[in-house]
Amino acid sequence: SQTIHQWPATLVQPVGSPLSLECTVEGTSNPNLYWYRQAAGRGLQLLFYSVGIGQISSEVPQNLSASRPQDRQFILSSKKLLLSDSGFYLCAWNPGLRTDTQYFGPGTRLTVL
Amino acid sequence: DQQVKQNSPSLSVQEGRISILNCDYTNSMFDYFLWYKKYPAEGPTFLISISSIKDKNEDGRFTVFLNKSAKHLSLHIVPSQPGDSAVYFCAASKNTGGFKTIFGAGTRLFVKA
Repeated sequence: SQTIHQWPATLVQPVGSPLSLECTVEGTSNPNLYWYRQAAGRGLQLLFYSVGIGQISSEVPQNLSASRPQDRQFILSSKKLLLSDSGFYLCAWNPGLRTDTQYFGPGTRLTVL
Repeated sequence: DQQVKQNSPSLSVQEGRISILNCDYTNSMFDYFLWYKKYPAEGPTFLISISSIKDKNEDGRFTVFLNKSAKHLSLHIVPSQPGDSAVYFCAASKNTGGFKTIFGAGTRLFVKA
């Protein structure tokens, strides 16, 4: 069966510090991978998605970047965090065939102080 | 540009009664519509979906209705149970090579015992 991991679960970082959130998927190959952010009291905003190694599509201009160094690894990064980067970050995957369902990880709660 | 809108931030329903959650969209090119359920501090879990070529899909207590002319879909939960209390996200996707999915802001459902 497939599983998706995210770490860390929670993170408190000062403004201006770097960020690296990691997501890995097990039990599948060549998945589509997604990063979402849920700001307090708001819906899920798609940040990045990837259909393959090294292929990243950015949905909104922002202070964040994403990379996919391996087939089942997706990394969300920032060089300098802003207060507005606080939120709940979710990684998701789907098989990438004719299927629409996405499977989400447990999320990372990021607080920037 | 909110392509998927959930205009009711919250809904309260008595146990055993019907819960109806509504969603409107603006882009007629969406291929699939989905509902996800989310508990606090967890990732969303897929609940039910419907293809744009259908107008109804049923799975146990959950039924999704799609009205393409009105660009409207709804999720019916019958009968509602206290364990259904969660945030429900409406989502729409189109196959851009990665099934990009747009989420609504969510509706918090309270089912009172």
